[in-house]
Amino acid sequence: QQQVRQSPQSLTVWEGGTTVLTCSYEDSTFNYFPWYQQFPGEGPALLISILSVSDKKEDGRFTTFFNKREKKLSLHIIDSQPGDSATYFCAASYSNNRIFFGDGTQLVVKP
Amino acid sequence: EAGVTQSPRYAVLQEGQAVSFWCDPISGHDTLYWYQQPRDQGPQLLVYFRDEAVIDNSQLPSDRFSAVRPKGTNSTLKIQSAKQGDTATYLCASKTGGWEQYFGPGTRLTVL
Repeated sequence: QQQVRQSPQSLTVWEGGTTVLTCSYEDSTFNYFPWYQQFPGEGPALLISILSVSDKKEDGRFTTFFNKREKKLSLHIIDSQPGDSATYFCAASYSNNRIFFGDGTQLVVKP
Repeated sequence: EAGVTQSPRYAVLQEGQAVSFWCDPISGHDTLYWYQQPRDQGPQLLVYFRDEAVIDNSQLPSDRFSAVRPKGTNSTLKIQSAKQGDTATYLCASKTGGWEQYFGPGTRLTVL
């Protein structure tokens, strides 16, 4: 059973636009939710994360929102740039060890 | 500070051959993970260690896969008798007390 589900699978936005990626999860015991960014040929790198005690976290152009009741998260990227073109993974954890990853969203930002 | 390093970066095998992947975690990181990432999917945990001890190897696909971390530093993941279904990128990650895992660049394996 897929523990973390992401949508859309792929997305194209214009430079300067706002990107919205969404994620849902199954296990209500999850309490840590990182978003990872992966460029081709590289490993995933942590972009932003949120704990279940918060409902919003912002880091520059990136904001993640968390809805515990609906078991949903989202990642918003404002002023999207071509350099943001990558695959974004939503993930979840409850044990500070094992992380469950979604299957990712491939983002293309066109100039 | 050096990141997680992995070698080789690429491997191409015929079915039935064996292959080993090597990982050097960030210095001082006690926890080390191996993930399998099939094409167009997210990383899936295979096994993880704290120091030299295996904490969870329940996701290793079969007896064909094994992993060791004998001195609690570097680690080796080995696939005996590779199958086409093993084609994927194998990622190593490490961490210390916090939540964040730091990933290496991965080894891209193709089994023909």
